[in-house]
Order: sequence, then structure tokens, then C-alpha cells
Amino acid sequence: GENVEQHPSTLSVQEGDSAVIKCTYSDSASNYFPWYKQELGKRPQLIIDIRSNVGEKKDQRIAVTLNKTAKHFSLHITETQPEDSAVYFCAARDTGRRALTFGSGTRLQVQP
Amino acid sequence: NAGVTQTPKFRILKIGQSMTLQCAQDMNHNYMYWYRQDPGMGLKLIYYSVGAGITDKGEVPNGYNVSRSTTEDFPLRLELAAPSQTSVYFCASSPGLAELTDTQYFGPGTRLTVL
Repeated sequence: GENVEQHPSTLSVQEGDSAVIKCTYSDSASNYFPWYKQELGKRPQLIIDIRSNVGEKKDQRIAVTLNKTAKHFSLHITETQPEDSAVYFCAARDTGRRALTFGSGTRLQVQP
Repeated sequence: NAGVTQTPKFRILKIGQSMTLQCAQDMNHNYMYWYRQDPGMGLKLIYYSVGAGITDKGEVPNGYNVSRSTTEDFPLRLELAAPSQTSVYFCASSPGLAELTDTQYFGPGTRLTVL
């Protein structure tokens, strides 16, 4: 099955700085890579996703890049704000199960 | 649309008790999933279903059972609850109609404690 590793486990940045979270995956056939944001006590919410037929996708301050050859993808948040503080999870679709395999999460703290 | 709903929100069980976690979606999604999230950890897939009458095991199915008699409902049954099943349980659904429409939508979760 799919295996997803995520780094770092915690990340602290100053407001206005950029934050980068990286994930690697094992199944070269995976073709869908979403990122979820989870605030304390809440459900995971999709913030951006990328399909394997593109290398980069942007949505305002958030971008995701995908390197299929190296089997890694990254989340980039620019001009961070205190409300960006949360746990972020990457995931890759397990093509065998048509389900998502999640990384272990990154706790992002944006210091005002 | 209500999206994905789950009941109950919270539950405390004693060791050896059984219960059913309810999940329903009103988006006519084919695919439904159950995940558990232990404190400070990611989500682990318990069971999933690609349509009514079809279910399959995920990474951590032991101690759980599911059924999918309708498109809308996907209950998760815990038999003989154990402290290791203390977790937050999330149900999710996705359209599943084609390879490029697998965005998953999560329910609010059920926080289960087994004492």
C-alpha cells in the first residue's frame, strides 16, 4: 500500500513569513494529492489539491508543487497570518483502495 | 445540503461494551470511508465502501465492522470495546465517479473514550 511521510512535525514562523511543508510518497501510481487543514477539535478541511498531470497549483497565498520523479510534493504558504495556525496533513490516493493515505501532520504556529 | 453528518458527537464506553457510530451523507456520493485519529496523529483508514453492498478493509480494521445497505448511510460497529479504541472517528465521502473526482468531505467526528 501507499506510505506517506511528512516533515517537519512542528513549524513555527513569524507572521508574514513563508511556511513550507514537505511530503514524500511511495506508490508511483498515485495521482491525487490533497492537503487538509485541521483546527483544534474540528474536522479536516481541504485547502488545496493537485493531480499528477500538473506540477504546480496556486490559490491566493497557498501553493502546492509536485515532483513525480522524486515522489514528493510540498505545501507553500506565503504571508502567513495567525489564523493559518493549525495542523496540516498531506495525503496521497492509494490507487489500490481508491482511499487516501495521510501523512502524520505538521503543527504550524504563526507568531504575531 | 447537510453534507456528512455523524452521531453521536461524544461517547464514553466501558471495556467490553459495543456501539454503532452513525454516518450519513446527502450528496449522493458513491464512496464512503471511516478513519480514526489518535491524539496528535494522522488519520488511519479503518474501512471503506465504493457503493451500496460493497465494503472493504483499510489499514486498521480489527475490532470494527461496517455495512452499507444504502448509498446514504455507512455505520461503523465496535464490538467488545477496548481502551486502544479510544480515538476520534471521522467519516468521509467522495463522489468516486471518476479518477479525478476523489475530493473527500469529512464529517464533524465522534470522540470516543473507552474506560
